Amino acid sequence: DIQMTQSPSSLSASVGDRVTITCQASQDISNYLNWYQQKPGKAPKLLIYDASNLETGVPSRFSGSGSGTDFTFTISSLQPEDIATYYCQQYDNLLITFGPGTKVDIK
Amino acid sequence: QITLKESGPTLVKPTQTLTLTCTFSGFSLSTSGVGVGWIRQPPGKALEWLALIYWNDDKRYSPSLKSRLTITKDTSKNQVVLTMTNMDPVDTATYYCAHSVVVVTDFDYWGQGTLVTVSS
Repeated sequence: DIQMTQSPSSLSASVGDRVTITCQASQDISNYLNWYQQKPGKAPKLLIYDASNLETGVPSRFSGSGSGTDFTFTISSLQPEDIATYYCQQYDNLLITFGPGTKVDIK
Repeated sequence: QITLKESGPTLVKPTQTLTLTCTFSGFSLSTSGVGVGWIRQPPGKALEWLALIYWNDDKRYSPSLKSRLTITKDTSKNQVVLTMTNMDPVDTATYYCAHSVVVVTDFDYWGQGTLVTVSS
């Protein structure tokens, strides 16, 4: 099974800060990596698919990059509404794994 | 407009079998490439993928839970059913169903989730 790690597990940043989250796969997954945002009490929301493609309607301050085993998710200018937990998710041979999540707070 | 909604018991006893139904609209599970998956989230913990079924009846399961899970579809009713046997308190979680497309295997539309508590 492919394991996913995320770092950091939590972070606090100021409004307007650039925020970066990393996700690492235990083996090469090409670009088969998606990112989700989950706010408390809500279902997750897809933000980025195939490592770097912005889902329709998602603000352009969100971006993703990477391939192989190492991936990065970036919020270019943190906004108050971005307070949430962010998860990466890989798919390999149609088996799926989520990362442990990164909780983002406002400092 | 794609919508999904989970339904089923809110409380099950240990060792019982859980049956959850996902009723959806706005797409058909007979359309090539379309799938519906189940994901759960214990309180305060991370998301965990459980199972996925595709338009062609291809089924995938989480390796760690495969022996306990069965996923089926009823295309005429626009429903996907997940059964999980031998429930345990550690299976207490919010269970979500979500729409997927095989090309990217992301979950782009989600139900609101249903909290299932396992307790005697």
